[in-house]
Amino acid sequence: AQTVTQSQPEMSVQEAETVTLSCTYDTSENNYYLFWYKQPPSRQMILVIRQEAYKQQNATENRFSVNFQKAAKSFSLKISDSQLGDTAMYFCAFSPTQGGSEKLVFGKGTKLTVNP
Amino acid sequence: DGGITQSPKYLFRKEGQNVTLSCEQNLNHDAMYWYRQDPGQGLRLIYYSQIVNDFQKGDIAEGYSVSREKKESFPLTVTSAQKNPTAFYLCASSLNWANEKLFFGSGTQLSVL
Repeated sequence: AQTVTQSQPEMSVQEAETVTLSCTYDTSENNYYLFWYKQPPSRQMILVIRQEAYKQQNATENRFSVNFQKAAKSFSLKISDSQLGDTAMYFCAFSPTQGGSEKLVFGKGTKLTVNP
Repeated sequence: DGGITQSPKYLFRKEGQNVTLSCEQNLNHDAMYWYRQDPGQGLRLIYYSQIVNDFQKGDIAEGYSVSREKKESFPLTVTSAQKNPTAFYLCASSLNWANEKLFFGSGTQLSVL
């Protein structure tokens, strides 16, 4: 069974600085997707960024980028120029490409606070 | 605007009572999902539906039931058999079963009186 581990329950960063959230996963699959979801105080889950395992290039979305290390099974999220609106829970998730989205597995989350 | 609507935002259940959480989507998505979120935990899958009139149990289906009579609707009933129902419930949908991009509703917080 696949597992996703987020080792940092809570983190904080000063506004405008950079922060990196860690995620490791365990799988025997070769092809899969990795995701970072954001859950702000409104509690609606929002997809931040998505990485396909067969792509070596790290995904980027504006101020958000990932460091995907397939051999190490590591998938960290870097937030640059942190903003107060980035304050949220961040969940790392894994989904094999075989089968449907019911196989999506979530980590326990990292609570990020951006301080003014 | 297209999206997923969950109602109510807050719901209270008495002992022995069944309650139903509503989830409606106007994205024309085939697949829909129900997740449970407990404090300090990730999301866990309760039930999912790949297509109308079909649904499957997820990892924690005991004490829950669903129906999928219409494409846009996927209500979740929390039955009296669910002994620890207090949690935050999230509904999601995807274009189809094989599509990995999920869209989420804003959730329902269920508490026991």
